[in-house]
Amino acid sequence: QQQVKQSPQSLIVQKGGISIINCAYENTAFDYFPWYQQFPGKGPALLIAIRPDVSEKKEGRFTISFNKSAKQFSLHIMDSQPGDSATYFCAASIRASSYKLIFGSGTRLLVRP
Amino acid sequence: EPEVTQTPSHQVTQMGQEVILRCVPISNHLYFYWYRQILGQKVEFLVSFYNNEISEKSEIFDDQFSVERPDGSNFTLKIRSTKLEDSAMYFCASSLRTSGANVLTFGAGSRLTVL
Repeated sequence: QQQVKQSPQSLIVQKGGISIINCAYENTAFDYFPWYQQFPGKGPALLIAIRPDVSEKKEGRFTISFNKSAKQFSLHIMDSQPGDSATYFCAASIRASSYKLIFGSGTRLLVRP
Repeated sequence: EPEVTQTPSHQVTQMGQEVILRCVPISNHLYFYWYRQILGQKVEFLVSFYNNEISEKSEIFDDQFSVERPDGSNFTLKIRSTKLEDSAMYFCASSLRTSGANVLTFGAGSRLTVL
C-alpha cells in the first residue's frame, strides 16, 4: 500500500529525444507527487511536483502527467540533453503523515550526444 | 541558495561501533528528516522530526537509531552499534511546509561503510 512502483529501471535516449518515466501507486491517500533528480555523489533535488487535483504540470522541458483513476503518473523530458543524464525518482506523500516521501526505485537516464 | 550541510561526507567504522552523522538544516526550516540509500537502491525514509520530537519513524528506525537536535542548528543521527547492513548513504533533509506543499531539500549525504 505504501509502495510506489517505478519503471523503467534504466533508459537510454538520444539527444533531442523524449524521455518517459512511469510510476504507479496503490494508496489513494497520497496527495503530493514530486519527482527528484539525483546526480552521482549528490542528494536528490526536487525537479517538479504535482497534486492530484490537476492532470498535468509543465515546467520548461519537464512535464508531469497524472492519471488519478489509474493511480499512475509519469515524467516526460522533452528535447532530452546529455546534462539530463541522472537518476530520477518519483515519490509520493500524504500531508497528514508527516509529509514523509515514499520513493520509487529510481530510473537511471543516459542521454547520448 | 541555502543548502543542507552534512558531515562527514564519508565514514568508515567497525561493526559494533557507534556512529554519529551530523546535519545542519536550512536555518528557517522546521521539519527534519533522515533517509538512507543503500548502494544502487531507492531512497528509504527513516525518521521525521518536528518541534523537538520524532513525528514518524519507519520500521528500519529501530532501537539502534536515535536523532537529536541538540543546539537548535544541528540535527544528528546516531547509530548505537553499527551492523554491516547499515552501510549506506544517509541523507538529511529539511523543509518548510507552506500552502500544503512540502519541498524537501536534501543534503549531499554521508556515506557510511561498516566493516
